[in-house]
Amino acid sequence: EAQVTQNPRYLITVTGKKLTVTCSQNMNHEYMSWYRQDPGLGLRQIYYSMNVEVTDKGDVPEGYKVSRKEKRNFPLILESPSPNQTSLYFCASSLRRPGRGASYEQYFGPGTRLTVT
Amino acid sequence: QKEVEQDPGPLSVPEGAIVSLNCTYSNSAFQYFMWYRQYSRKGPELLMYTYSSGNKEDGRFTAQVDKSSKYISLFIRDSQPSDSATYLCAMSPQTGANNLFFGTGTRLTVIP
Repeated sequence: EAQVTQNPRYLITVTGKKLTVTCSQNMNHEYMSWYRQDPGLGLRQIYYSMNVEVTDKGDVPEGYKVSRKEKRNFPLILESPSPNQTSLYFCASSLRRPGRGASYEQYFGPGTRLTVT
Repeated sequence: QKEVEQDPGPLSVPEGAIVSLNCTYSNSAFQYFMWYRQYSRKGPELLMYTYSSGNKEDGRFTAQVDKSSKYISLFIRDSQPSDSATYLCAMSPQTGANNLFFGTGTRLTVIP
């Protein structure tokens, strides 16, 4: 089954304790992306990756890191989480990046609800 | 001003009603327009996708794009309780985009 998986689904942590949210896709997609979703603000892109070892900042990258060492995996790292990073996080993947062909369907993971106290 | 504006609702309708969901945008470079549906505790899933202006129909769903007014709509005919979800519009320019620009979502409840 084609899917994007994220782990963990729920996480409560304290300020400053480093954490990693994993993301994996089994569709051989080139493009992967992380979003955060907040009430009244919608989905905002944090980082994206156009292929292995190619990553770049989205709209709200501060406080986050990513890596893309393998095509299927795109972990999101919070080195020193703060309460303003409490949010619902989604990983997404698509065959190509937006603007390149008709493959606009981004497949989203189930989400990770993060609470930083 | 946000690039994409969407009324957050919530919107409650009786089963069988016609539903109209809308977004406006400010960037005239947007060429690709999408509607995503997001059920509670799930990630968004692509519902409809259109390029440039015009209409596209898929079963009970019709997407309309009016580029002259920078306005897009999603119509749902014969709405069902299973349509209860949050609907997100998204759009992108033709080239040079690394991102989709999302609306904040409209929460729809269809009452049996």
